[in-house]
Amino acid sequence: EAGVAQSPRYKIIEKRQSVAFWCNPISGHATLYWYQQILGQGPKLLIQFQNNGVVDDSQLPKDRFSAERLKGVDSTLKIQPAKLEDSAVYLCASSLSGTGDYEQYFGPGTRLTVT
Amino acid sequence: KQEVTQIPAALSVPEGENLVLNCSFTDSAIYNLQWFRQDPGKGLTSLLLIQSSQREQTSGRLNASLDKSSGRSTLYIAASQPGDSATYLCAVGIYGNNRLAFGKGNQVVVIP
Repeated sequence: EAGVAQSPRYKIIEKRQSVAFWCNPISGHATLYWYQQILGQGPKLLIQFQNNGVVDDSQLPKDRFSAERLKGVDSTLKIQPAKLEDSAVYLCASSLSGTGDYEQYFGPGTRLTVT
Repeated sequence: KQEVTQIPAALSVPEGENLVLNCSFTDSAIYNLQWFRQDPGKGLTSLLLIQSSQREQTSGRLNASLDKSSGRSTLYIAASQPGDSATYLCAVGIYGNNRLAFGKGNQVVVIP
């Protein structure tokens, strides 16, 4: 079974530029999560999708971050414009469902550096 | 709001010693608790998942316990090896939407 795929693996941009990350979850997984991990911290949830609907985006900085999951499969996370404090690893995870005890499986992450 | 704490932030042990890592959380309304391993510059590798109805899980040299009522979990790694050097993250699946709340991690160095 293929795991969670993410691309790109690394990205370096200047502040005020825009960037997009892509995630393809495990086949059949209805729930998709985007987490942000700043160096030295644990990951923090940015947004959670159940199929193509948003379940939780309470910690997403909506003035600059946006995410979509068209057709309930793969997802993109966008930052526009980027700030220095957005430098982090962006992790995508998926699970069979978000309403119950289901294990989350993580992708390799995208390391973003904003200069 | 669920708070997850892992202390100490960093520790070093000689090879062969047993490792004991502690995790505490403030809200017992959880679906599960997971321990992850993270190597520098890498993603998360799931080590053990304990469901809220379980008390412990074992995999090889790893054993994790869960005491939901007291808000504690312990990860035990027997006979540590240099290859166990990594950051270990504890996360609880929050009841309702199962989003994970993470601790900051324990950075472990096993000295040969």
